[in-house]
Amino acid sequence: EDQVTQSPEALRLQEGESSSLNCSYTVSGLRGLFWYRQDPGKGPEFLFTLYSAGEEKEKERLKATLTKKESFLHITAPKPEDSATYLCAVEIYNQGGKLIFGQGTELSVKP
Amino acid sequence: GAGVSQSPSNKVTEKGKDVELRCDPISGHTALYWYRQSLGQGLEFLIYFQGNSAPDKSGLPSDRFSAERTGGSVSTLTIQRTQQEDSAVYLCASSSSVSGSEQFFGPGTRLTVL
Repeated sequence: EDQVTQSPEALRLQEGESSSLNCSYTVSGLRGLFWYRQDPGKGPEFLFTLYSAGEEKEKERLKATLTKKESFLHITAPKPEDSATYLCAVEIYNQGGKLIFGQGTELSVKP
Repeated sequence: GAGVSQSPSNKVTEKGKDVELRCDPISGHTALYWYRQSLGQGLEFLIYFQGNSAPDKSGLPSDRFSAERTGGSVSTLTIQRTQQEDSAVYLCASSSSVSGSEQFFGPGTRLTVL
């Protein structure tokens, strides 16, 4: 069964304290892995797409990496405005683009 | 440009009533997706459209759920005879093509069934 697991469920950081979020997946054929940010009461906001092992993408304080079994979202020197739930999702080949989501990691950054 | 919009933003209904949820995708996006987000369940796929066709309805929870898309644009998700377990946030997303493209989400419709 195709599955996506994110850890930790919740993460509390002090401003400036770097850390990583994990997304592990077990799927039949990975077409792409997506990272989204979701603020309370809003829809998910697209961050990154990764397609192959070894690929890395960066945006401001965020860097996403991909291996054959997992993806990491590294947050460098986070700020309070980075507080949100981060969602990982996978797309599988020949399934029309539907995404399978993990449960998310709720990140809280305190000043 | 305008993003994905959904209406209503909130809907409170009584058990047994029918509800319609609307999604306006980004102009020109051919693919449209419906997801449901419940507490403790994460985001679950419901159905997707390529143009006006729905090749995959596998995520619809029961035959009380249906969706249509007209003119390759607006989509409506209908829930008949609502039940309390239907309470959730219903999210719509669109993308420029099916497969391999990022999906852009709307703000969602929060449905509460009393």
